[in-house]
Amino acid sequence: NAGVTQTPKFQVLKTGQSMTLQCAQDMNHNSMYWYRQDPGMGLRLIYYSASEGTTDKGEVPNGYNVSRLNKREFSLRLESAAPSQTSVYFCASSEPALKQPQHFGDGTRLSIL
Amino acid sequence: GENVEQHPSTLSVQEGDSAVIKCTYSDSASNYFPWYKQELGKGPQLIIDIRSNVGEKKDQRIAVTLNKTAKHFSLHITETQPEDSAVYFCAASRTNTGFQKLVFGTGTRLLVSP
Repeated sequence: NAGVTQTPKFQVLKTGQSMTLQCAQDMNHNSMYWYRQDPGMGLRLIYYSASEGTTDKGEVPNGYNVSRLNKREFSLRLESAAPSQTSVYFCASSEPALKQPQHFGDGTRLSIL
Repeated sequence: GENVEQHPSTLSVQEGDSAVIKCTYSDSASNYFPWYKQELGKGPQLIIDIRSNVGEKKDQRIAVTLNKTAKHFSLHITETQPEDSAVYFCAASRTNTGFQKLVFGTGTRLLVSP
């Protein structure tokens, strides 16, 4: 049982480049989340998806887009990367009754030069 | 909006001692309080949570207490072991219908020395 799987684990980009962070869960959870974690800032919600086909903005959505491809997969896209988006990105999921992140992936460490 | 403060930022204990981490929150309507453990190089994992209709919840060596009047809640770890070493985050949210933002504390780094 893999839980929440994120790819890639590490990535270095140049300013202006684009990329998509992938996330998949195998627990049949409805809700999925994208967070970023920065030193001294804690975890901040970027986007949230309550179910397949629905997405909502979190605290810090600017510069990001998301796609809930199906129940298992929730991707995060940076269209034009900026140094301020250097961070560790975590995807999470939860069972329907909880409505808050329960299982997190191991993160994608993203550096933008 | 909700604001969660967490103390201490670092905590060092000897194996077998107890550890207590405290959080305060500002929104009196918050009624869900989870705790997460994050090991080095890993994502946070939910270890225990409490809702405002109970004052204490235990799961083996960990327990959480909630004081709604004072708006604070605490994580207690007894008989600490080296594998308890990690960063612990508290959080708070409402649980109304629809999505409610979960606000995290800034974390406590717990070091358990053998």
